Amino acid sequence: IAGITQAPTSQILAAGRRMTLRCTQDMRHNAMYWYRQDLGLGLRLIHYSNTAGTTGKGEVPDGYSVSRANTDDFPLTLASAVPSQTSVYFCASTRTGGSNYGYTFGSGTRLTVV
Amino acid sequence: KQEVTQIPAALSVPEGENLVLNCSFTDSAIYNLQWFRQDPGKGLTSLLLIQSSQREQTSGRLNASLDKSSGRSTLYIAASQPGDSATYLCAAATNQAGTALIFGKGTTLSVSS
Repeated sequence: IAGITQAPTSQILAAGRRMTLRCTQDMRHNAMYWYRQDLGLGLRLIHYSNTAGTTGKGEVPDGYSVSRANTDDFPLTLASAVPSQTSVYFCASTRTGGSNYGYTFGSGTRLTVV
Repeated sequence: KQEVTQIPAALSVPEGENLVLNCSFTDSAIYNLQWFRQDPGKGLTSLLLIQSSQREQTSGRLNASLDKSSGRSTLYIAASQPGDSATYLCAAATNQAGTALIFGKGTTLSVSS
């Protein structure tokens, strides 16, 4: 696949339901990130992972959790979705944090919470 | 805390015009700065990456400059075309949050034929 795959592409979710957004990369990048993009607010960091087994909180982590069991996968879970989590979610990766390598982005997941 | 600002928020130009998009950042301790393009409803496409030790990068009609001391970067687009119409995002990689990219809110460019 040579890049980042996000699934699903889009989803309509009832408030209060649990949902996991999937992100898989095949570039053996160490660092991975989750962003949400909202009109007028731009892209904001939710969670990040510098390497497998470690995660950290970004600017807007409340209501979201992540795990990094291996290098390739970085799922984002909404434990109990709320309408304010309606957004477009992007997963990204780079070879290693602090390097001069570029960042690769997935195509995004458009989530609507009703 | 790193903050990235892009001015203007929107720009309309006739085809063929040269233009400059501006990006400023508050923390000069960046690893690199990237420019992305985003078409409506689509993902991000990387345009140019300027390493912290570099002053500029060029790709075709695009030229990006970086001045860390003043906290500024510019994206110069030569001979604009209608196909250049998109939102352009500037992002700085710092030592915050695992060196995640911190984004500006973008400049939406419209090039009319």
